[in-house]
Amino acid sequence: ILNVEQSPQSLHVQEGDSTNFTCSFPSSNFYALHWYRWETAKSPEALFVMTLNGDEKKKGRISATLNTKEGYSYLYIKGSQPEDSATYLCAFPNFNKFYFGSGTKLNVKP
Amino acid sequence: ETGVTQSPTHLIKTRGQQVTLRCSSQSGHNTVSWYQQALGQGPQFIFQYYREEENGRGNFPPRFSGLQFPNYSSELNVNALELDDSALYLCASSPQRGSTDTQYFGPGTRLTVL
Repeated sequence: ILNVEQSPQSLHVQEGDSTNFTCSFPSSNFYALHWYRWETAKSPEALFVMTLNGDEKKKGRISATLNTKEGYSYLYIKGSQPEDSATYLCAFPNFNKFYFGSGTKLNVKP
Repeated sequence: ETGVTQSPTHLIKTRGQQVTLRCSSQSGHNTVSWYQQALGQGPQFIFQYYREEENGRGNFPPRFSGLQFPNYSSELNVNALELDDSALYLCASSPQRGSTDTQYFGPGTRLTVL
């Protein structure tokens, strides 16, 4: 069983704050790293699939970076809005299995 | 394009019973994965099916079994239910079985075992 860790577990920020959180994964046998956003009472929604070391992806105010050599990815949210409140999950595929972290729960206060 | 759907939304069973959960993948998606999410944890990978064959399995006992059908629907069957099986069960479909294929999740089935 592989270890995928996310930190922090939860985060409370004010509207307009920028924030970031971390996903750590094994640096060997790397194929890809997935980020998902999961809002309450909805389905998890794919944000990014990252594959190359040094990769940086952006979607609106959300961006992510990848370091496969040291085994981590950062997710950044610039100018957080209340609608960004959700749990952010990362997933590490390995030999036909997907390993999810336990997520970072973000709460943005208006 | 319709999304991934799951049924039922909620289910209550008693210990020792059997349950079948259903998932309808997006049209054209050959791969479906099933996950169990217990409170406070991330989704745990149960297994993946590709073109009706099991393609990968997580750390779950054999009483968790699945089927995938040619019409892009699939089932998760759990026999001899235990209290610890109470969880949210998610299915996710993807076009192929590659590590870089985006997974599209359904809303989940909440199973409570009493």
